[in-house]
Order: sequence, then C-alpha cells, then structure tokens
Amino acid sequence: QVQLQESGPGLVKPSETLSLTCSVSGGSMTNYFWSWIRQPPGKGLEWIGYIYYGGSTTYNPSLKSRIAMSVDTSKNQFSLELRSVTAADTAVYYCARVGATKGGAFDIWGHGTMFTVSS
Amino acid sequence: QSVLTQPPSVSGAPGQSVTISCTGSSTNIGAGYDVHWYQQLPGSAPKLLIYSTSNRPTGVPDRFSGSKSGTSASLAITGLQAEDEADYYCQSPDSSLSGSKVFGTGTRVTVL
Repeated sequence: QVQLQESGPGLVKPSETLSLTCSVSGGSMTNYFWSWIRQPPGKGLEWIGYIYYGGSTTYNPSLKSRIAMSVDTSKNQFSLELRSVTAADTAVYYCARVGATKGGAFDIWGHGTMFTVSS
Repeated sequence: QSVLTQPPSVSGAPGQSVTISCTGSSTNIGAGYDVHWYQQLPGSAPKLLIYSTSNRPTGVPDRFSGSKSGTSASLAITGLQAEDEADYYCQSPDSSLSGSKVFGTGTRVTVL
C-alpha cells in the first residue's frame, strides 16, 4: 500500500518561508502527479498545486507567486516551499497522489501536518 | 475562491437517504470535467469516496453513489449510518483557473 507522510516545522514567523516534505513509501513515484492541499482551521479544502514525477508543475493561480514545488524521486519525496507567509497561511497541509486510473482524483492522502504562522 | 457551491449542512435519521448537491458552471462541471467526492471524518484526512462522477474505489459501500447533470453533480447516501457523519467535498478541474483543481465549499452530514 502506498503511504504518504508530511514533515516540516509546525511554526513559522510571518514573512518567513514554509518548507514541507512529503515522503512516499510502498510504491514508486513514477508516472504520477503529486499534490499539496491545505485546510485552514474550521474551513474547507484548497488545492495548492501539483508536480509530475518528472518535475513539471502546475500551481493554484492565487498562490503561484509565492510557491515552488520540487521532486526527488531518488528519495521518494516531493516538497513545497511557500514564501512570505502570513496568518492566512495557517492550515493543515496535506500531500496527496493524483490517481492515474481515477480520473485525476486525489486517491491517496497523507495524514496532514498543522502549520501555524505566528510571531 | 471556491467556484463549486455545496449546501453547508444536510441531516437525516439512520436508515434514511440524503443527497448533497455540488453546483458549478460551464468552466468546470458543465465543461464535462470529471467530478470527484471526498469524505472527511472528524479529525482525519479526506478520503476518496467517488471518482469520475459515479465510480466507487474498492472498499466504498454501494450506499454511496454519484451523478451529474448539466453544471451540477450530486452525491447520494442511502441507508444512512452513524459512521457517515462527516464533511463531504466535491472537486473538479476548472478551465477558467488555468486548469486548477477546485474543491466545493463542503457539506456537513449529521445523522440525527
């Protein structure tokens, strides 16, 4: 069974950069898109972007100027950087796989990691 | 930012049926894009419930079904059970947002 696990600091100061990593276990990253999704406390889901195993990316236009995604297939990991964070970026961040045989749905999710922006 | 609108809440007694609507537009559901549904139990990560409008992943009970018509999609839950109490989200790509994947506003299902 493919499993995903997010890791990163739980707290970052305003204007700093958030860096998160998602580790993929139990399967290969090849031929899949990998995504980040976030959920502010008590609110709904927001898609952040996705990266193909080969490195090409597509980002949410509302976040595009502040984010960068990367992938390291040798380590079975992909990462998210979110620059110039504010309190509005406080959320649970999930990594997810885009299902190749599931019409583009997010078929496997990590447990999520809470990220807080505070001075 | 969500362009997919869902009712904030629906409720039903055990054994009853409920339906959750997901209203979009000509740039997402109405454009023929696939619609997917996710279930988020309290304190847990979302889980894929329905993909490509009406398909269930392995392990999802057939009490859950999906459909689509025009610019809207629906998720139906029949034989409601206490364990179905959760938040449900629809999701689809949107061509007006450079192909971004958008989620619905979410619906809380309460089992009375």
